Amino acid sequence: NAGVTQTPKFQVLKTGQSMTLQCAQDMNHEYMSWYRQDPGMGLRLIHYSVGAGITDQGEVPNGYNVSRSTTEDFPLRLLSAAPSQTSVYFCASSRKSRAYGYTFGSGTRLTVV
Amino acid sequence: GENVEQHPSTLSVQEGDSAVIKCTYSDSASNYFPWYKQELGKGPQLIIDIRSNVGEKKDQRIAVTLNKTAKHFSLHITETQPEDSAVYFCAASGSNTGKLIFGQGTTLQVKP
Repeated sequence: NAGVTQTPKFQVLKTGQSMTLQCAQDMNHEYMSWYRQDPGMGLRLIHYSVGAGITDQGEVPNGYNVSRSTTEDFPLRLLSAAPSQTSVYFCASSRKSRAYGYTFGSGTRLTVV
Repeated sequence: GENVEQHPSTLSVQEGDSAVIKCTYSDSASNYFPWYKQELGKGPQLIIDIRSNVGEKKDQRIAVTLNKTAKHFSLHITETQPEDSAVYFCAASGSNTGKLIFGQGTTLQVKP
């Protein structure tokens, strides 16, 4: 099993550009989430999904879109990048029956200049 | 919405001493409380978790306690070792929501 795979690992964007952070899991997990990690602020929930076709907003959803067309994939879209979106982004997944023992990916470090 | 507060933000102990990290949560409907360890450059890894029907859980040198009345839960690490040095996060979640909220993190340094 590959677990949770995030691509790319590093990315530099210019202000106003758009991009998609990819997340895929091969564990048939129902739950998937996106977090951003900033110094001193812990992990903040951006969007989450409890299954294919179902998504909901987390604590800091503004500027981000998600969709969940398959169980395996949960891409995060930045619509118009801003310097405030410079962060490390983590995708995580969990089996519903294990309730929230989330497995995390290795992260994407995004810099917006 | 759910809010999780974690203290202290940094903790330095001597090797062999114990370390305690404390968290409080706001949503009384929360019923699952995991703890994660994050090493430099890696994603967080689950180290122990506790559910609301249990007051205490142990796994070798680590233990977690939960006080539902006070909405407090704590991580206890005994006989600390240098490899315990990392950032630790607490989190809380309600039943079947799929929504896991994290505390701000504690940087633990274990000095040899």
